[in-house]
Amino acid sequence: ETGVTQTPRHLVMGMTNKKSLKCEQHLGHNAMYWYKQSAKKPLELMFVYNFKEQTENNSVPSRFSPECPNSSHLFLHLHTLQPEDSALYLCASSQDLGTGYEQYFGPGTRLTVT
Amino acid sequence: AQSVTQLDSHVSVSEGTPVLLRCNYSSSYSPSLFWYVQHPNKGLQLLLKYTSAATLVKGINGFEAEFKKSETSFHLTKPSAHMSDAAEYFCVVRKRRRDDKIIFGKGTRLHILP
Repeated sequence: ETGVTQTPRHLVMGMTNKKSLKCEQHLGHNAMYWYKQSAKKPLELMFVYNFKEQTENNSVPSRFSPECPNSSHLFLHLHTLQPEDSALYLCASSQDLGTGYEQYFGPGTRLTVT
Repeated sequence: AQSVTQLDSHVSVSEGTPVLLRCNYSSSYSPSLFWYVQHPNKGLQLLLKYTSAATLVKGINGFEAEFKKSETSFHLTKPSAHMSDAAEYFCVVRKRRRDDKIIFGKGTRLHILP
């Protein structure tokens, strides 16, 4: 679990706030991912980055803005969120995309939007 | 198109008895298949993966899974449940191509009865 770290672990924000989630991987991987995990719903893949380039955006609202300055760091910038955005946000990394590479997950950030 | 179905949302077994968590998949290509475990307030941890080698895959903590192409199944088993196995388990299918999609099942919560 220490291979992928996420900060903060818990975040409470109002709908007009701006905040950022941070993810760092210490595994030398090339691909990084953001997932949203809501109660009673399957894990939702939000964004995928490979070698700092975004390769996938699964119709995520623009109030979520990812940033990947290098292969080790991934951010999720949040602004004007809605209460339904409250969830556990998980970051993951993998050696590369596709062909059987498993993902390593961080512990998540529990986000509450009030 | 790919999909994955975890047939039970909750499974309860007594400590020391066998565990069976069921997963069926559909994929137009030979898939890679994974099982992950998530303990409360933690990220997901890889239990095991199938990527086209042996159809019986052994993972951590005594878990194993068998890839059965004819039944399109990848069920997770353990001979003897331990209290520490109580968690949520996710079956994942990943198309074995570079432009892959990662599909998570809805999860099965495993309860261990003393």
